[in-house]
Amino acid sequence: GAVVSQHPSRVICKSGTSVKIECRSLDFQATTMFWYRQFPKQSLMLMATSNEGSKATYEQGVEKDKFLINHASLTLSTLTVTSAHPEDSSFYICSAPNPGLGEFFGPGTRLTVL
Amino acid sequence: RKEVEQDPGPFNVPEGATVAFNCTYSNSASQSFFWYRQDCRKEPKLLMSVYSSGNEDGRFTAQLNRASQYISLLIRDSKLSDSATYLCAVNTNTDKLIFGTGTRLQVFP
Repeated sequence: GAVVSQHPSRVICKSGTSVKIECRSLDFQATTMFWYRQFPKQSLMLMATSNEGSKATYEQGVEKDKFLINHASLTLSTLTVTSAHPEDSSFYICSAPNPGLGEFFGPGTRLTVL
Repeated sequence: RKEVEQDPGPFNVPEGATVAFNCTYSNSASQSFFWYRQDCRKEPKLLMSVYSSGNEDGRFTAQLNRASQYISLLIRDSKLSDSATYLCAVNTNTDKLIFGTGTRLQVFP
């Protein structure tokens, strides 16, 4: 398998603040990482593909200026939720594909915006 | 039509039962198929890949039917610890996975 870490695991913040979430592949390099969002009792929805050394690719309907993605190295991608609002409250999960082994998920970040 | 569809369940089965889930996909160009397990408020964890010839891992058997565009997961001798949501995932010729909504399994004593 492969290990992907994510930090923080939980965030509670006030409306209007920005929240940064880090995703790290611990024992392998990932030129691509994915960011998902999951609302209660719903499926994982892909938000964007994070590409090392280039711009992220966003899925339709996801605002790139609101969800800033930076893939700074082969083991780190960050997602910043800018000016968070209560409707942004969700479970944010990153993943990284390890060729030949599959796609591995971080433990997720539960964001609550008050 | 959704790209990947699953019966949300819940499937309530007694310990020791055999239970099967199906997952249909709409894109005939899909190339890779997976089953993930997700526990409540946790991230999905890869359960098994699904190979064309079908594959087995202990009590779990996965099968692919390309003609009918579905994959299946069979769990034999269900344990209480098998209670979870089972997600199927499909991708085409990109790295992106498309997930189903998941099928919830509840195993009772």
